[in-house]
Amino acid sequence: GAVVSQHPSRVICKSGTSVKIECRSLDFQATTMFWYRQFPKQSLMLMATSNEGSKATYEQGVEKDKFLINHASLTLSTLTVTSAHPEDSSFYICSARIGTVPGNTIYFGEGSWLTVV
Amino acid sequence: GDSVTQMEGPVTLSEEAFLTINCTYTATGYPSLFWYVQYPGEGLQLLLKATKADDKGSNKGFEATYRKETTSFHLEKGSVQVSDSAVYFCALRDMRFGAGTRLTVKP
Repeated sequence: GAVVSQHPSRVICKSGTSVKIECRSLDFQATTMFWYRQFPKQSLMLMATSNEGSKATYEQGVEKDKFLINHASLTLSTLTVTSAHPEDSSFYICSARIGTVPGNTIYFGEGSWLTVV
Repeated sequence: GDSVTQMEGPVTLSEEAFLTINCTYTATGYPSLFWYVQYPGEGLQLLLKATKADDKGSNKGFEATYRKETTSFHLEKGSVQVSDSAVYFCALRDMRFGAGTRLTVKP
């Protein structure tokens, strides 16, 4: 089946630095990708919807200048956490949809653990 | 706005017991509804989905029926196995997730 790969799976960065997480669809073209944040033992919180070639749509309360999303190609979306702080430590998950039709199957990446020290 | 309310866990059952995990939603229109499963140490996987009212999604012995009148999409399985132990998420329009319900099945 379709595969979505995230990299890195774990990253530790110093407070004040920026870190980039990549999300790749390995065997299909993903017009739409989603980025989520999951706190321990909690649900996934949708951060933004990323459409290839256009600006991401951020959910209310998510700082777009802090969480930069770029969807430059049909197989790659990146999330950059800028000026990271310890409270940004979390599990970040991406997903990708084949095509643009809501209801089409979405495939999830394995997630990336970010620890800011 | 759209939202999903999911039965809180954790849920602990014995093998071969009947499982129900409740899920209700609030949304405009007739959104697609999904159940995802997250096995220990793995990413989320689509378990089943329904795209219109009265549709029944099914997979691996799990079923859920899209009930427009009660705005619900409860997950059921007649006989759970130890291998079903996981966290189950109800989702709306494949973007809004419920809080997740952790299921543990004991032999």
